[in-house]
Amino acid sequence: DTEVTQTPKHLVMGMTNKKSLKCEQHMGHRAMYWYKQKAKKPPELMFVYSYEKLSINESVPSRFSPECPNSSLLNLHLHALQPEDSALYLCASSHQQGAQAGYTFGSGTRLTVV
Amino acid sequence: GQQLNQSPQSMFIQEGEDVSMNCTSSSIFNTWLWYKQDPGEGPVLLIALYKAGELTSNGRLTAQFGITRKDSFLNISASIPSDVGIYFCAGLYPRGSNYKLTFGKGTLLTVNP
Repeated sequence: DTEVTQTPKHLVMGMTNKKSLKCEQHMGHRAMYWYKQKAKKPPELMFVYSYEKLSINESVPSRFSPECPNSSLLNLHLHALQPEDSALYLCASSHQQGAQAGYTFGSGTRLTVV
Repeated sequence: GQQLNQSPQSMFIQEGEDVSMNCTSSSIFNTWLWYKQDPGEGPVLLIALYKAGELTSNGRLTAQFGITRKDSFLNISASIPSDVGIYFCAGLYPRGSNYKLTFGKGTLLTVNP
């Protein structure tokens, strides 16, 4: 298995909703990442987990809450989002943080906040 | 943070033509990566470069890691319609005890059959 699987593929949520994005990999990678990508822009780093511990938080608002239950799973819990949070949310993994072999990205979750 | 200047922003070419795009930075990177992103999908790694001066090929793609470690280029030879997409350079650099991967703004490639 050489993939990063993200669910759901699309999500529409209201500003008062609570939802979660899920990411799974079975490549034995010990670093996992959340990126946010707005239309026609590059991905921007949000969070980095290394060996299930949060190692980088790029000053992301607290309405985004990451969780790494085990080495294969990464969640992003969403609460009280704003319309400007609508974007493609990408999960990625790598052998370890800073792995020169590069990061493997999932297909993303297209989030729309209404 | 580290800034990557990627150019050109977009390219319109005819099928069969060669393409070149590049990234520069005022900062040094340990690793340069080139990704391609299709609409509705995540970025897919094309080529990874690890050493200054390194020249690496992957089929019709060739990329080089600049000697100064501050730049990289990607060439695509004999373009085909499926080459259409957004190409991103990305640089990996240490930040404290961690590492960060940062992306250029991307090059949108359109290939006319």
